[in-house]
Amino acid sequence: DTEVTQTPKHLVMGMTNKKSLKCEQHMGHRAMYWYKQKAKKPPELMFVYSYEKLSINESVPSRFSPECPNSSLLNLHLHALQPEDSALYLCASSQVLRQLYGYTFGSGTRLTVV
Amino acid sequence: ILNVEQSPQSLHVQEGDSTNFTCSFPSSNFYALHWYRWETAKSPEALFVMTLNGDEKKKGRISATLNTKEGYSYLYIKGSQPEDSATYLCAFLTGNMLTFGGGTRLMVKP
Repeated sequence: DTEVTQTPKHLVMGMTNKKSLKCEQHMGHRAMYWYKQKAKKPPELMFVYSYEKLSINESVPSRFSPECPNSSLLNLHLHALQPEDSALYLCASSQVLRQLYGYTFGSGTRLTVV
Repeated sequence: ILNVEQSPQSLHVQEGDSTNFTCSFPSSNFYALHWYRWETAKSPEALFVMTLNGDEKKKGRISATLNTKEGYSYLYIKGSQPEDSATYLCAFLTGNMLTFGGGTRLMVKP
């Protein structure tokens, strides 16, 4: 299995809802990442996990809460989002941090906050 | 904030044309430069990871060069095909952070 799987592919949520995005890989990668991409902008790093521990939080608002329950799974819990949080959320993994191979990306979750 | 710039933003070429894009990045604290190919509704796919000044890498009709001293990388596509239509992203790795440029959107007309 050489894929990163993200679910759901599309999500519409209200500003008072709580929802979660899921990212899974079975390649034995020990670094996992969340990126956010707004239309016509580059993907922006949100969080980095290394060996299931949070390594980087790029000053992301607390309404986004990441979780890495095991080495294969990365979640992003969403609560009280704003319409400006609507974006494509991409998950990626790599064997370790600073490896000399490219990251493996999922195809993303398209989130719309209404 | 790291500045990773790509040009042009978009490019329309005819099938069979050769083309190239530019990625510029900070010349300090360099660890690696990544290139990705991203087709609509698919996942970004890694093309190259480059680390050494003067590096050249090739994959089929696509090749890339790296100049870390002046902070730029070129991606070349020889004899473009319609299936090459995609957004090409470069990304600069420093510390443990991979920072993306805005991408070059390539459209190849048959």
